[in-house]
Amino acid sequence: GAVVSQHPSRVICKSGTSVKIECRSLDFQATTMFWYRQFPKQSLMLMATSNEGSKATYEQGVEKDKFLINHASLTLSTLTVTSAHPEDSSFYICSAIHDPNTQYFGPGTRLTVL
Amino acid sequence: GNSVTQMEGPVTLSEEAFLTINCTYTATGYPSLFWYVQYPGEGLQLLLKATKADDKGSNKGFEATYRKETTSFHLEKGSVQVSDSAVYFCALRSSGGGADGLTFGKGTHLIIQP
Repeated sequence: GAVVSQHPSRVICKSGTSVKIECRSLDFQATTMFWYRQFPKQSLMLMATSNEGSKATYEQGVEKDKFLINHASLTLSTLTVTSAHPEDSSFYICSAIHDPNTQYFGPGTRLTVL
Repeated sequence: GNSVTQMEGPVTLSEEAFLTINCTYTATGYPSLFWYVQYPGEGLQLLLKATKADDKGSNKGFEATYRKETTSFHLEKGSVQVSDSAVYFCALRSSGGGADGLTFGKGTHLIIQP
């Protein structure tokens, strides 16, 4: 149980375009999901907390207008990278809370902006 | 703010060797502590956790004890196997509650040779 999926697993786009990444909890409902970013050989950095039915909470330094988060249902959160640039290339990982103390992670999405 | 420091890798061991991966943290209050493992090509999986001082988390032969006096949560295993080769992440969640994002260490790449 507690499976989280992401789609797509990898995406390549041109600079200036927007890319949407989906995060789904497959066998449980999640009122709270999280989005992380991981650079090569670096740690995962929390970008934002996605709350079902309300606005996301962004970490300091993360541009909310660039990284749009929508948590429209209890099983789906989406991250849209708007007007993507090469510096946005990264590995994006989502997680969802299943029990009071544990986050379950998706497999990640590799974004490459040309 | 919160931070997690773990030993840099890669760590290379022979099969059946004893493993220790050091992890220390900085946080206010009483954080919860976690070890996640990422096998090649897969997402992060929770390995074990501890939510209060002196708690010992254990799973699949791995153990870690929450040491508040030394602010540490070192991961140990008595006899490693080739299948344990992966990247291991130490993480904490602040004591504010379950709906907080995690702060991760940079990860330690473990390589077990037959």
